[in-house]
Amino acid sequence: EVQLVQSGAEVKKPGESLTISCTGSGYSFSSYWISWVRQMPGKGLEWMGRIDPRDSYTNYSPSFEGHVTFSADKSISTAYLQWSSLQASDTAFYYCARHPFRAADDYWGQGTLVTVSS
Amino acid sequence: DIVMTQSPDSLAVSLGERATINCKSSQSVLSSSSKKNYLAWYQQKPGQPPKLLIYWASTRESGVPDRFSGSGSGTDFTLTISRLQAEDVAVYYCQQYYATPPRTFGQGTKVEIK
Repeated sequence: EVQLVQSGAEVKKPGESLTISCTGSGYSFSSYWISWVRQMPGKGLEWMGRIDPRDSYTNYSPSFEGHVTFSADKSISTAYLQWSSLQASDTAFYYCARHPFRAADDYWGQGTLVTVSS
Repeated sequence: DIVMTQSPDSLAVSLGERATINCKSSQSVLSSSSKKNYLAWYQQKPGQPPKLLIYWASTRESGVPDRFSGSGSGTDFTLTISRLQAEDVAVYYCQQYYATPPRTFGQGTKVEIK
């Protein structure tokens, strides 16, 4: 069974750093890209970017480039989303999803709620 | 970036009736080489992650009930729920994956029971 399992909810203060994770199982992790999607409270889905676990090649949405960093460790089938300095506006659910090259996102993680508050 | 615009923003439909959601892209998502439309539909129920319903504009994902269907080509697409069931209450999103980055979503359409 294909699964993407994300790390648990986080509560952080502005300016702090954070890394959340997404671990795949039940499939060849390196054969699928991992996308990251933000959903702010009560809002729609925003595509942040993606990473190819084979070589850690990344694409960022212009809206997020420079503010977040994607990485992956294919040896443990895990992708990461990292912030070096959180802002209150980063409060949101973050989802990972997998997709074959140039195809739709067919499996999604359960989401990680990040709350940034002083 | 390709902008995806859905209509309506919300709709209320009686149980057993048809629900129709439209999605328009700011430029074509039809590949001239593959002849495929790079357009997907997702369903998101409250408190859950999105779920893939339709890809290539009209191909139903495995396990998705056949009351869900997708149509359209180029820049104009439709998701139809032929006979609305209570469990279909959700927000529905279209997404283009033709021009990446970024893969863009529509703003979402909330479907409720009338």
